[in-house]
Amino acid sequence: GAVVSQHPSWVICKSGTSVKIECRSLDFQATTMFWYRQFPKQSLMLMATSNEGSKATYEQGVEKDKFLINHASLTLSTLTVTSAHPEDSSFYICSAPPRLSEQFFGPGTRLTVL
Amino acid sequence: AQKITQTQPGMFVQEKEAVTLDCTYDTSDQSYGLFWYKQPSSGEMIFLIYQGSYDEQNATEGRYSLNFQKARKSANLVISASQLGDSAMYFCAMREGLGSARQLTFGSGTQLTVLP
Repeated sequence: GAVVSQHPSWVICKSGTSVKIECRSLDFQATTMFWYRQFPKQSLMLMATSNEGSKATYEQGVEKDKFLINHASLTLSTLTVTSAHPEDSSFYICSAPPRLSEQFFGPGTRLTVL
Repeated sequence: AQKITQTQPGMFVQEKEAVTLDCTYDTSDQSYGLFWYKQPSSGEMIFLIYQGSYDEQNATEGRYSLNFQKARKSANLVISASQLGDSAMYFCAMREGLGSARQLTFGSGTQLTVLP
């Protein structure tokens, strides 16, 4: 089946630093990728839709200047958490749909901001 | 209104028995897709099964089947012959409209525990 990779799998950083998370579709091209956030014992919440060749679409309440998304190619989207603070600590996970009947997720990135 | 409702926060099932995880959805679109995912403690989201709104037959994938009742807007997941490794959080999700480039909306999840 289609594979989506995500890197890093976990990261610990100091408050005020920026963290970049990469999401790659390994065996298919993805013009669209999605970024979700999941807090402990909660469901996944969509943060933004990443579009290759155009600007990302952010969900209401998500600061686009804080969560920078770049869809650099048909197989790579990056999420940069700028000036991270402890409240940004969460599980970030990306997904990509190779076809209508499937949407695969990366393994996720656990971010801890000290 | 919630688009995806999972009313069972937690479920227990004996090993080798079947279990049904409930999911109801709300949409005014005629075209939509329903997904089920398994999330073990590691956090990865494992795709289990898909049902399209125009599919006349219930989807099946190995031990997983989807009981799709369109008029009732329900898409329950049935796991047959439960195994200890099935213990995990299970999420129901919906994609509204046509086109794969549309996001999924998730339910709150059901924590399944398989008892030996």
